[in-house]
Amino acid sequence: DAKTTQPPSMDCAEGRAANLPCNHSTISGNEYVYWYRQIHSQGPQYIIHGLKNNETNEMASLIITEDRKSSTLILPHATLRDTAVYYCIARMIQGAQKLVFGQGTRLTINP
Amino acid sequence: EAGVVQSPRYKIIEKKQPVAFWCNPISGHNTLYWYRQNLGQGPELLIRYENEEAVDDSQLPKDRFSAERLKGVDSTLKIQPAELGDSAVYLCASSRSPGTGGTGYGYTFGSGTRLTVV
Repeated sequence: DAKTTQPPSMDCAEGRAANLPCNHSTISGNEYVYWYRQIHSQGPQYIIHGLKNNETNEMASLIITEDRKSSTLILPHATLRDTAVYYCIARMIQGAQKLVFGQGTRLTINP
Repeated sequence: EAGVVQSPRYKIIEKKQPVAFWCNPISGHNTLYWYRQNLGQGPELLIRYENEEAVDDSQLPKDRFSAERLKGVDSTLKIQPAELGDSAVYLCASSRSPGTGGTGYGYTFGSGTRLTVV
């Protein structure tokens, strides 16, 4: 799995959009970008994943650059409950591959 | 649908004592994982099961850790004897195996067992 790099921490005001960056410059053509988050005292929770097109679901949007070397997770209207550690992971979707977590970004939503 | 269920939620033991963690995966999920998460770090895989077979246990410290998944459903992770450095959160996750239908291969994690060894 390709290595990913994320800032260790970020702050965002409640109600504003939170934009979390991730670098994955060595990602291969068959690796997807996955985002998970971990709220305190809970297990990681799946948010979204994508290959090369931008993706949106009820939780977030994922913007992947054309060269696929980086991506941004967007929480459009952050709430206090979005305070968590966010993990960006590159992995192949074929096969039940393990998830290789980095240290993630600790996002704090401020009132 | 019920999520991945783990017990106990918290465990405090003295070093050199044994401890066991239990996991019940989501119904129909053939793949089960045990991860360990040290404070301030991301989770790291210990072992992965496909049904009842351990297919990746390369990161499991086999001198003191053992795991089993009898009948390919529930799983137990054991540490004997526990050391101070084993203090961590132990997470269980499950997913569908490829080719068995469903959309995507997203994992579902349990809430974990927080182990403190004193």
